[in-house]
Amino acid sequence: NAGVTQTPKFQVLKTGQSMTLQCAQDMNHEYMSWYRQDPGMGLRLIHYSVGAGITDQGEVPNGYNVSRSTTEDFPLRLLSAAPSQTSVYFCASSYSKGTGNFYGYTFGSGTRLTVV
Amino acid sequence: AQSVTQPDIHITVSEGASLELRCNYSYGATPYLFWYVQSPGQGLQLLLKYFSGDTLVQGIKGFEAEFKRSQSSFNLRKPSVHWSDAAEYFCAVGKNYGGSQGNLIFGKGTKLSVKP
Repeated sequence: NAGVTQTPKFQVLKTGQSMTLQCAQDMNHEYMSWYRQDPGMGLRLIHYSVGAGITDQGEVPNGYNVSRSTTEDFPLRLLSAAPSQTSVYFCASSYSKGTGNFYGYTFGSGTRLTVV
Repeated sequence: AQSVTQPDIHITVSEGASLELRCNYSYGATPYLFWYVQSPGQGLQLLLKYFSGDTLVQGIKGFEAEFKRSQSSFNLRKPSVHWSDAAEYFCAVGKNYGGSQGNLIFGKGTKLSVKP
């Protein structure tokens, strides 16, 4: 049981390049999300998903795309990287049960992205 | 939209002293509330969560939190702090209905330092 796996752990991009941050979970969780963490800003929600085929925007979605074709995977795409997207990115997953209570996210170990 | 405020950016306590970290939220109904801890260079670990019912919630590592609806607060407490508790602590608030449960909003965090 690997939990939430993020790849790569580190990445350097040039301005204007595109890339995909990978996220996979093996816990059959229906909820998945992407956050970015910047000093003094806490974690800010980029996009989240409540199940395969369903995604929604969070607080800071601009410049990022997501899709959820399977329960396990939730990749984050940077279409044209900008220095403002330099950050640590966390993927997370969660589940609900019974009366639908959301049990809180389990986080991956993060991807440190630098855009130069 | 929901929001969360952690008024203290940095707190220093002596080892063995008690701890209280403050969290205030804004949400029109009873929210889901969470506390997470992040050690340097690590991902986030869930300490405890509140859905409904008993307003005093017990978590891991000897932490507890109390939900006070009248004050819109969910403060984290520990009776005796250990040096290993030095980390950054994040409060988070979520909506308690439907697909919006995945929309978990974090505060900016409180960094805890522990003096020997």
